[in-house]
Amino acid sequence: GNSVTQMEGPVTLSEEAFLTINCTYTATGYPSLFWYVQYPGEGLQLLLKATKADDKGSNKGFEATYRKETTSFHLEKGSVQVSDSAVYFCALSVLGYKLSFGAGTTVTVRA
Amino acid sequence: DAGVIQSPRHEVTEMGQEVTLRCKPISGHDYLFWYRQTMMRGLELLIYFNNNVPIDDSGMPEDRFSAKMPNASFSTLKIQPSEPRDSAVYFCASSRGGHQPQHFGDGTRLSIL
Repeated sequence: GNSVTQMEGPVTLSEEAFLTINCTYTATGYPSLFWYVQYPGEGLQLLLKATKADDKGSNKGFEATYRKETTSFHLEKGSVQVSDSAVYFCALSVLGYKLSFGAGTTVTVRA
Repeated sequence: DAGVIQSPRHEVTEMGQEVTLRCKPISGHDYLFWYRQTMMRGLELLIYFNNNVPIDDSGMPEDRFSAKMPNASFSTLKIQPSEPRDSAVYFCASSRGGHQPQHFGDGTRLSIL
């Protein structure tokens, strides 16, 4: 089946620190990969996506590269801000519309 | 453009009562999804519709759960009778086409006492 494993949180770091959230996947077929972000009290928002191997998704200073050889899609940001405090979800889709989500990683950035 | 609109934002009711959650997808979107989020199980897809037709309801936990989409701009998720273990945040999402990103509503936080 399809599944996503992401690093457990919570993650707490200082402003301007480097952030990495690891994500690995298993999939039957050739998945598209996503990172969603959930701010407190809100629904999920698409942060970035990649649809084929070696693609790099990027948005708001966040990046993730689709690595087929390691079945990974790690999220990175070089300098975080307090406003980046949220829950981050890695997800995959094989059939194009049925998303499988990871458990989510809570990130807290301190001023 | 308005996003996905869910109502109510919060619902507290006693077990055994009927609960109805509502969703208005983004205009022009032809896919609609219902998810449930809990601490224990994370985000689970319950059911999704394409052009108002239910396509996959394999995630619906029990017969107590039902979902309808009478037209392109409205969907309901109903729980009857409700139980305390149904307490969760329920999200509705929509997309234009099956391969496009899903847009989520702000969710309904449901508490069953």
